[in-house]
Amino acid sequence: EVQLVQSGAEVKKPGESLKISCKGSGYSFTSYWIGWVRQMPGKGLEWMGIIYPGDSDTRYSPSFQGQVTISADKSISTAYLQWSSLKASDTAMYYCARRLYSSGWYFFDYWGQGTLVTVSS
Amino acid sequence: QSALTQPRSVSGSPGQSVTISCTGTSSDVGGYNYVSWYQQHPGKAPKLMIYDVSKRPSGVPDRFSGSKSGNTASLTISGLQAEDEADYYCCSYAGSWVFGGGTKLTVL
Repeated sequence: EVQLVQSGAEVKKPGESLKISCKGSGYSFTSYWIGWVRQMPGKGLEWMGIIYPGDSDTRYSPSFQGQVTISADKSISTAYLQWSSLKASDTAMYYCARRLYSSGWYFFDYWGQGTLVTVSS
Repeated sequence: QSALTQPRSVSGSPGQSVTISCTGTSSDVGGYNYVSWYQQHPGKAPKLMIYDVSKRPSGVPDRFSGSKSGNTASLTISGLQAEDEADYYCCSYAGSWVFGGGTKLTVL
């Protein structure tokens, strides 16, 4: 069974750093890209960026470039999303999702359960 | 890239059909056949319902169908059921991904 299991909810203060994770199982981790999607409270979905764990090729949305870092460790089938200095406006649910590593496949077929990040002083 | 435009809400009675539109530009929706649709129930992760404009993943009922004309894609749900009540998001690939603002479907 394909699963993307994300790390648990986090409560942080402004200025703190954070790294959340997304572990894939039930499929070949290096056959898929892993994307990250933000959903702010009561709002819609926003694409943040995507990484291919096979060689760590990473693409960012212009809106998130420089604001977050996406990485992956293929040896443990895990992708990461990290912040060096959180802001209150980073409060949101963050989802990971997979996309087949193949041209012509431009959709996300399996999603993680989401990680709620709350940033408050 | 600006978010794709969706109606904020649509509604229909059980058994009826509803259509949700998703308007972009010739640089995204109109330029590629890479529109996908996602269903999101409250407190749940999004679920893929349609990809490549009109293809259905295994397990998605054939009551769900997708189409595109010019810069506007559409999701049609026929034979509405109570469990279809959810938020629906369109998404287009255009070198990167852009989502619509989401549409809340209410089953009356």
